[in-house]
Amino acid sequence: DAGITQSPRHKVTETGTPVTLRCHQTENHRYMYWYRQDPGHGLRLIHYSYGVKDTDKGEVSDGYSVSRSKTEDFLLTLESATSSQTSVYFCAIRKDMLSSQHFGDGTRLSIL
Amino acid sequence: AQTVTQSQPEMSVQEAETVTLSCTYDTSESDYYLFWYKQPPSRQMILVIRQEAYKQQNATENRFSVNFQKAAKSFSLKISDSQLGDAAMYFCAYRSANNAGNMLTFGGGTRLMVKP
Repeated sequence: DAGITQSPRHKVTETGTPVTLRCHQTENHRYMYWYRQDPGHGLRLIHYSYGVKDTDKGEVSDGYSVSRSKTEDFLLTLESATSSQTSVYFCAIRKDMLSSQHFGDGTRLSIL
Repeated sequence: AQTVTQSQPEMSVQEAETVTLSCTYDTSESDYYLFWYKQPPSRQMILVIRQEAYKQQNATENRFSVNFQKAAKSFSLKISDSQLGDAAMYFCAYRSANNAGNMLTFGGGTRLMVKP
């Protein structure tokens, strides 16, 4: 157990509404990541953070924003959700440059 | 940009037999890490095994071992004495040792079915 909690675990919402997903860690890891998982694509990086208020874009960042105001929390926001953002979202953490990434249990997001 | 390819969308194996999952990757870098992750129906992403590119010796973890061919850019996973609990999606992943963010690039996955 890497001490990662994602909330909510499941969410159904409508197109055009804002959505925020939360990733909480208990071990003060510096690096945190948001991925999305879609059939045939594996996991693709949306955004990542390398410290408080330090974030950068990943491969599929369009339509998403992130914030990290505390070491333990990394938030992913969909400002105006679209059906193409229906997916399973994973948060991951990494302790340092040599460590492997450890994943949360995922959030299934459905946008109708 | 690096790419990771898993050419087998689905594989099946008889319980207690051995199965090999394939992974190839494309990179111009010499220093990197490779991983296999397991995703059972519970949706958890579980690290199975890790290989550092600078190491010639293939990594092993109990029944799981890899065949790392750096020149061929190939990284296959061998599961020996397959068990029903091995049934899952398996993802191969690449990580540069030089990129500041050290993010993972994943293949599309292979679904492994284990027959009793």
